[in-house]
Amino acid sequence: EAQVTQNPRYLITVTGKKLTVTCSQNMNHEYMSWYRQDPGLGLRQIYYSMNVEVTDKGDVPEGYKVSRKEKRNFPLILESPSPNQTSLYFCASSSHFDPEVGSPLHFGNGTRLTVT
Amino acid sequence: RKEVEQDPGPFNVPEGATVAFNCTYSNSASQSFFWYRQDCRKEPKLLMSVYSSGNEDGRFTAQLNRASQYISLLIRDSKLSDSATYLCVVTSRVSGGYNKLIFGAGTRLAVHP
Repeated sequence: EAQVTQNPRYLITVTGKKLTVTCSQNMNHEYMSWYRQDPGLGLRQIYYSMNVEVTDKGDVPEGYKVSRKEKRNFPLILESPSPNQTSLYFCASSSHFDPEVGSPLHFGNGTRLTVT
Repeated sequence: RKEVEQDPGPFNVPEGATVAFNCTYSNSASQSFFWYRQDCRKEPKLLMSVYSSGNEDGRFTAQLNRASQYISLLIRDSKLSDSATYLCVVTSRVSGGYNKLIFGAGTRLAVHP
């Protein structure tokens, strides 16, 4: 089954404790992206990757890191989480970086992160 | 001003009703438009693309008005299963010469018996 898999689904942590949210897709998609979703703000892009070893900042990259060593994986790293990073996070992939060319975004099922 | 604006709702409608949502966008250069559906606590999924001439998919009709910079989604004969948040999504060209997706905050629809 074609899918984007995120783990964990739920995570509660404390300020400053490094964490990684994993994301993997099995569709051989070139484009992958991380979003956060907060009430009233819609989905905001954190980082994206057009292909292996190519990553770039989205609209809200501060406090996050990513890597794209393999095509299928795109982990999101919070080196020192803070309470303002409490949010619902979605990983997504698409066949092409340009949404006017490629397939629709396929989203993972989300990670709800709480930082206390 | 947000790039994509939606009425957050909720729109509470009875089964069988017709309901319409509008979404306005600020970038006149936007070329592509979509509606995504998001169920409570779930991931967004593409509902339909919005074409210049308007398009229909079963009970769902999407329209684009470029002059007034808004898109609409009409749902006829609402079902309980239509209860969800509907996200308006437009493309915006960025400095690298490609397009990115801009998401609205969503309109919540609640269909009741």
